[in-house]
Amino acid sequence: GENVEQHPSTLSVQEGDSAVIKCTYSDSASNYFPWYKQELGKGPQLIIDIRSNVGEKKDQRIAVTLNKTAKHFSLHITETQPEDSAVYFCAASKGSGGSNYKLTFGKGTLLTVNP
Amino acid sequence: GAVVSQHPSRVICKSGTSVKIECRSLDFQATTMFWYRQFPKQSLMLMATSNEGSKATYEQGVEKDKFLINHASLTLSTLTVTSAHPEDSSFYICSAPEGARTEAFFGQGTRLTVV
Repeated sequence: GENVEQHPSTLSVQEGDSAVIKCTYSDSASNYFPWYKQELGKGPQLIIDIRSNVGEKKDQRIAVTLNKTAKHFSLHITETQPEDSAVYFCAASKGSGGSNYKLTFGKGTLLTVNP
Repeated sequence: GAVVSQHPSRVICKSGTSVKIECRSLDFQATTMFWYRQFPKQSLMLMATSNEGSKATYEQGVEKDKFLINHASLTLSTLTVTSAHPEDSSFYICSAPEGARTEAFFGQGTRLTVV
């Protein structure tokens, strides 16, 4: 089955700096890679996703890059703000219906943005 | 995005009792729903995949007789933790993909504490 590795497990940055979280996956059939933000006591919220036919996607301060050959993808947050502090999870799936929607999650990164 | 509503958000029960958690898709029909369990400071681990009108598929190591899943309609899936024990205390989260979209929408999660 799919295996997703995520690094680092914790990341502390100063407000305004950039934060980068990296993930690798093992199953070359995976084609959908979402990133989730989870605040304490809440369910995960999708912040950005990328499909395997695209190398990069941006949404304001957030961007994701995908290298299919190397099987890794990264989350980039620029101009970080204290409200960005949360646990971030990457995930991978084959994303083509039914049980293929099943997501395999990384272990998470606790991001702390210091004012 | 689509909304998945999960109830209750918190529940405390006595050891040996059963607890039911509901997951509803509010503005779309969910033929597939996923149930996850998350222990403190850990990632989401898939427990089972439920499909409307058929038996759920459980991940390896998850006891199907202990974690009963019912997906009787296109908008409701339930997870019943039977004869709960303190080790079942965890954060349970459901998710559902919307139709042809790959994106999965998550419920708010249920914090179960068994005393």
